[in-house]
Amino acid sequence: QKEVEQNSGPLSVPEGAIASLNCTYSDRGSQSFFWYRQYSGKSPELIMSIYSNGDKEDGRFTAQLNKASQYVSLLIRDSQPSDSATYLCAVNYLKNTGFQKLVFGTGTRLLVSP
Amino acid sequence: EAQVTQNPRYLITVTGKKLTVTCSQNMNHEYMSWYRQDPGLGLRQIYYSMNVEVTDKGDVPEGYKVSRKEKRNFPLILESPSPNQTSLYFCASTVSANTEAFFGQGTRLTVV
Repeated sequence: QKEVEQNSGPLSVPEGAIASLNCTYSDRGSQSFFWYRQYSGKSPELIMSIYSNGDKEDGRFTAQLNKASQYVSLLIRDSQPSDSATYLCAVNYLKNTGFQKLVFGTGTRLLVSP
Repeated sequence: EAQVTQNPRYLITVTGKKLTVTCSQNMNHEYMSWYRQDPGLGLRQIYYSMNVEVTDKGDVPEGYKVSRKEKRNFPLILESPSPNQTSLYFCASTVSANTEAFFGQGTRLTVV
C-alpha cells in the first residue's frame, strides 16, 4: 500500500509569517509530486508541481523535494488569511500495469490569523 | 475555458436506486479518474481510465462501475447505492501519467 503522510494540523501562523507544510511518502520509485490547496467543500486546485530534487519557487510558494529522504515540503511566505485552507500533498506512482495512481495525503489544515 | 464538469453537484437518493454521475473534460486529456473524499480519510481513487475503453480499479472500487466510451466522458455508476457511499466525489483528468490532475467541481452524494 503506497502511503503519503501529512500532519493533519491545524497549523496556525500569524499573517505575514512563513508557513511550512511537510509530507513524506513511502515509494522510492515516485517521480511526480504535487501540492494542492482545498477550501472547505471545494475542489482541490494545484499550487505547485515538482519532479526533481531541490527547490522550486513560484511567487510566495516554494516546493522542496528530497527523494533520498522521501520528503516533500511547501513553504508559503508572507502568509495571508486567504491562504487558510487544507493543503494536500499528492504523489504519483506508476504501476507496473502502466496505469498511474495519484495518492493523496489526508491534508494539513492551515490557519492564518490577521 | 479548459475545465472538468461534473453533474449533478448535489444529489440525495435512496438505497438501491441506480444513479449516474457524469464527468466531461474539454482538454483532450487521455487520463481520467474518480475519487471520493471522506473526513479523516482524504481523497481515495475509485477508478481510473488511461484511454477509451481502458479502465483500472483504484483503492475503493467496490460498489462502483465506470465506462469510457468517448475520450471526453467518464461517468461513474452506482448500480445499487448504499448509505456508506455517502461522500463527496471528484472527477479529475490529466494530460499524461506523471502530470498534475485537474478536478471537477465535486458532487455531494447522500444515500438514505
